[in-house]
Amino acid sequence: AQKVTQAQTEISVVEKEDVTLDCVYETRDTTYYLFWYKQPPSGELVFLIRRNSFDEQNEISGRYSWNFQKSTSSFNFTITASQVVDSAVYFCALSEDLSSSGTYKYIFGTGTRLKVLA
Amino acid sequence: DTGVSQDPRHKITKRGQNVTFRCDPISEHNRLYWYRQTLGQGPEFLTYFQNEAQLEKSRLLSDRFSAERPKGSFSTLEIQRTEQGDSAMYLCASSRGTATLREQYFGPGTRLTVT
Repeated sequence: AQKVTQAQTEISVVEKEDVTLDCVYETRDTTYYLFWYKQPPSGELVFLIRRNSFDEQNEISGRYSWNFQKSTSSFNFTITASQVVDSAVYFCALSEDLSSSGTYKYIFGTGTRLKVLA
Repeated sequence: DTGVSQDPRHKITKRGQNVTFRCDPISEHNRLYWYRQTLGQGPEFLTYFQNEAQLEKSRLLSDRFSAERPKGSFSTLEIQRTEQGDSAMYLCASSRGTATLREQYFGPGTRLTVT
């Protein structure tokens, strides 16, 4: 069965520290997509990145970077020089195809709460 | 480009009452999803529409739950005879109808409290 594991329940760092959020997934599909979302205290999930299973290149966007390794089924997220505004719950998600018609749904991990202290 | 909107943002109801939530997706998105999120958990898939067709329902969606998307625009989620276990955040998301651009954009959610 498809599954997403975020083993880190909560992480606290001091501002300007780097922090890595772990995500491990399980899937039998050869084609799949992985995502990261941010959920700030306001509650709205904010899309951060999509990665498909054929693209293992790491990606950097400002202070954010993502490391995708199929060999270990991991899709980790690093925030460099963290800021207080980064405090939120971060979710990793796996896109599972529901049928041959191309429909799909997400399977979310349980999230990692990041607290960045000033 | 307006995002996904949901109404109401908060709903407090007594056990046994019926409630209805509304979701307005991003206008050019033909796919619409409903999720439920409880405290400390990630969102759990409930149901999915492509245009007006409801294509998939989770086992979580008991017969007390019904969702509609008339004319493929906004969607409603109704819970009949609410139970305390229904207390949760109900999230709506929409996405484009392509296999590649499948990222979902979420609304702010409706927080339901059943007393």
